[in-house]
Order: sequence, then C-alpha cells, then structure tokens
Amino acid sequence: QVQLVQSGAEVKKPGASVIVSCKVSGYSLTELAINWVRQAPGKGLEWMGGYDHETEGKIFAEKFQGRVTMTDDTSADTAYLELSSLTSDDTAVYFCATSVDYYDSSGYYLGFWGQGTLVIVSS
Amino acid sequence: DIQMTQSPSSLSASVGDTVSITCRASQNIRSCLNWYQQKPGTAPRVLIFAASMLESGVPSRFSGSGSGTEFTLTIGRLHPEDFATYYCEQTYSSPVTFGGGTKVEI
Repeated sequence: QVQLVQSGAEVKKPGASVIVSCKVSGYSLTELAINWVRQAPGKGLEWMGGYDHETEGKIFAEKFQGRVTMTDDTSADTAYLELSSLTSDDTAVYFCATSVDYYDSSGYYLGFWGQGTLVIVSS
Repeated sequence: DIQMTQSPSSLSASVGDTVSITCRASQNIRSCLNWYQQKPGTAPRVLIFAASMLESGVPSRFSGSGSGTEFTLTIGRLHPEDFATYYCEQTYSSPVTFGGGTKVEI
C-alpha cells in the first residue's frame, strides 16, 4: 500500500517561494508518478502538474509555467514542489497524489493522496 | 484545455435517496473520466475510474456511466457518510482538469 506524507503548514510573504515535500512509503518513488493538486479555501481542485504518460516526463499546467518546479530525491523517496513569486491567490492546500494506470493503460486516476499541506500567503 | 462542466453544483437529498451527478467534457475524452469524493479537511478519494469501474473498497451503491462527452455518477440509497463533495476529472489529455464539484447536502 502506498502512503504519502507531506510536510507541515507554511506561512509565506508575497513574493517568496515555498517548498512542499511528499514522502513516499510502501513503494519506491521511482515506481510512482507524482502529481500535485491544489485547493484554495472553499474552492475546487486544481491540477498543477505531474507525470505525463505520453511524453514520459513532467508537465505543468500552463498557468504555473515558470513558477513551479517539481523535483525528486529518489534516495529519500521524497518528491518536492516548489512554487515561487507567491501571491495571496496561492493560498491553498497543496496535495501530492500518485497516478494509477487503468487496466488497459488508456488513462489513469489519482489513487493515493497525501494529507495536504496548507500554504498561507500573507503580508 | 478540456473543460469539465459538472451539474448541479449542489443538491439536497435525504438518507435513502438516489442521486445523480452529471459531468460534461468540452471534447471527446473516451472513458478517461474519474469520480472523487471529498469530505471537509481531507484529501479526495477515488470512487470510480475509467468512467464505470468501481475502485476497490468503494460501496456498490456508487456507480458511473457514460463515455465520450457525457458522464454520470449515481449514488443509490444515500447513506449518512455520503454527504460530501464530488468531483469529476478527465485524464484523457494534459492538463488534467476537474469539474467544479457537486456538494451533496442533507
């Protein structure tokens, strides 16, 4: 069983950067495809980026291009999300989640989720 | 990007009712559609994947149908623990996109 444990809440000032970690257990990080999804207070789910099955590389939602970095420390089985140039609009809970392929590999779903990390951006 | 339109945005129901939620995609996504349930303060959990496949451990009162651009999540005989927010998600093409959510209230 895959378990994902995320780092704790953060409070950041506008213009700063934040790094959220996602520690994997039960599997090696190299066996998993990590996605990042965020949820602003009282709002819906927003996919930020993750592993693209077609290109076999990382892909990001266009609105985050240039501001987001996703890295992996395979020796520590930990994935990281860094978001820079923070504004109040980035106040949200950030989730990591692993992809699980459909039986016929035509698509996938987010099968295992971390508990979420609250990031508050405030002056 | 593929737009996912969910309806209704909220609904009121009673324990024992059967409810349906619709999700429409802006283009053909075949069966690459998943449904999630989310309760306050917790991460989403998948209920249905590939439009109609029930995730292991999910009660059989949850069912999904549809393909192409129109999909439905049906919850038969609502239990108290089913009052939550439900999201559809397409993974046919990047970027992954979610519907706006449907809050099922008592």
